[in-house]
Amino acid sequence: DTGVSQDPRHKITKRGQNVTFRCDPISEHNRLYWYRQTLGQGPEFLTYFQNEAQLEKSRLLSDRFSAERPKGSFSTLEIQRTEQGDSAMYLCASSLVQGRGAEAFFGQGTRLTVV
Amino acid sequence: AQKITQTQPGMFVQEKEAVTLDCTYDTSDQSYGLFWYKQPSSGEMIFLIYQGSYDEQNATEGRYSLNFQKARKSANLVISASQLGDSAMYFCAMRSTNKLIFGTGTLLAVQP
Repeated sequence: DTGVSQDPRHKITKRGQNVTFRCDPISEHNRLYWYRQTLGQGPEFLTYFQNEAQLEKSRLLSDRFSAERPKGSFSTLEIQRTEQGDSAMYLCASSLVQGRGAEAFFGQGTRLTVV
Repeated sequence: AQKITQTQPGMFVQEKEAVTLDCTYDTSDQSYGLFWYKQPSSGEMIFLIYQGSYDEQNATEGRYSLNFQKARKSANLVISASQLGDSAMYFCAMRSTNKLIFGTGTLLAVQP
């Protein structure tokens, strides 16, 4: 399977705990994106990387959220001191740098439930 | 500000019939891209079709076509010959600088 993969698929955590999600993009894609999707809404942009550089962060990304892409390959998204409002689907996507073929391909997401 | 509007929360269509899902957008950019994604209950966002703002012809991909009306700022998705497997959420999106802006989606239910 050469698509975008995310791990874990589901995560239940207690409020106040830290969680970390992993995303493995399509190997030749140099851009990697994180989105958050709550029930009944479309995905909302959180942040993106070009290679290992984090180039843009949304205002949605509070200081409890941190994302890394240390070697320009896989990425992690960590949420510290989780709150119930963090419950959502976290989607990762990858693409080539903009051009005709710059469609973003998404993983299956990590569904986070904070109890 | 860039915005995508999908006014149909849900749609029904009979199997084998065609259906149009509406999408309007707002942008001040001269160059932009419009996308449609399908999200089945499994959660994965599946890319369907892309239309560039300078493309002169409407995009087509198999049973999917995009009815692009630039002056009206609309980019409706047409699915021909609906199949039961087409039942899913459908999202219209616009590329804004380096990210995608999504609408709220339309839930399509294909009835046998």
